[in-house]
Parts: sequence; structure tokens; C-alpha cells
Amino acid sequence: QKEVEQDPGPLSVPEGAIVSLNCTYSNSAFQYFMWYRQYSRKGPDLLMYTYSSGNKEDGRFTAQVDKSSKYISLFIRDSQPSDSATYLCAMSARTRTSYDKVIFGPGTSLSVIP
Amino acid sequence: NAGVTQTPKFRVLKTGQSMTLLCAQDMNHEYMYWYRQDPGMGLRLIHYSVGEGTTAKGEVPDGYNVSRLKKQNFLLGLESAAPSQTSVYFCASSYRRGAENIQYFGAGTRLSVL
Repeated sequence: QKEVEQDPGPLSVPEGAIVSLNCTYSNSAFQYFMWYRQYSRKGPDLLMYTYSSGNKEDGRFTAQVDKSSKYISLFIRDSQPSDSATYLCAMSARTRTSYDKVIFGPGTSLSVIP
Repeated sequence: NAGVTQTPKFRVLKTGQSMTLLCAQDMNHEYMYWYRQDPGMGLRLIHYSVGEGTTAKGEVPDGYNVSRLKKQNFLLGLESAAPSQTSVYFCASSYRRGAENIQYFGAGTRLSVL
């Protein structure tokens, strides 16, 4: 079983729709949870991050973490064509070494159709 | 504010040739990373560094070497390129604060090995 699983899509929605992107994970040691957005032929950019369980909202974006279910979500309200990108979840866990392990999901490709 | 800068942006090599990819960051981050990104595989960690003069192996280190002689620079070397090393390479850097490890990425280097 992979440490982080994410449906690769592609996901296609009409403009204005609510989008739900999800990741599941197996390692209960993960503490920080991040979402990155990657436009075509660009590097990933940090979109949101949360610590432990709960919700975090930033404009049209809401990140949710359910540690009991090992499940994280990113919701996009009023989706726009400019939201068309690949979304990668990522999570980090403290290790016994000085390196804090970060694992990335493979990404979900999203297209928002005008 | 440049953030993380990678050079070159594109490169085509013949099998057996060598090359060095350069990463520079201006955020005074302690940690630096090299990843490769392949379709369906997500981001895979090649090597990382937790400080100037230190390097360590990641998930897929074979065929690559790295050096971090200065805090702001992290070099990735391919001594004898193979077609299996055709990929998009991303450099990232991060600060360390507890288990928080938020990484900032460069724009990537597209490498083709013929």
C-alpha cells in the first residue's frame, strides 16, 4: 500500500462548480498536511497547509483534515478556469533524524470548463 | 525576490553524457531537495541536504550525485546519463520548524536522454 493515495483524474467541471479533491494516507505519524497547485510546465506552488485535524479556509479554498480516517480534502468553491491545474497533496512527519519526511501524492488533474 | 531558481530549464543529452543541474535559493533555507517527477509517479525524492556541507540519499538516488558547498546552492550531477533518467527535475528548499516542512519549488528542468 502506498503511503499517500490520490485519484489522478482527470477531473472536469463547469465553471462555478464546487470541486472536491481528496487524499488518503496510511502513516498515522503525519502531522502537517499541505496542498500544492501545479500549472502545466511549472513547479508546484504551496496553496494551503494545516496542522493536525480540522478545517482551514482561505478565500474560495477550504482544506479539511480527518486524522481518525486518515483522509484529507481540498474544496474549491465557485471554481474558475484559472483553477485548472494539477493539485498535489503532501504531508510531513517528524522523524528521529533531523529530516522531517514529506510525502507527496501523485496529483489530481483538474480542468474547469468556461 | 527570486525564491528558488533552477538552471538550465531544458536539456537534451545522449546516453553516457554527464551534466550538472544547478539550484539556487535566496530564502536562507537550511533544507534543500532534488526531486524527479514522472507521469503517474508523482514527486520522488532523489537527494536532500539539511545544511551546508551535508547531503543524504532519498528514495531514488542511484545514478545521481549532489553537492552543497554553499548554503544557497544545491547541485545535482548525472555522471553517465541513461534514458531512464528522462524526467522533469525539481529543486525545492524549506525552513525547519518542528514537524513543519513547507517546501518551495523551482520551475523545473526538463531533461531528455536519447
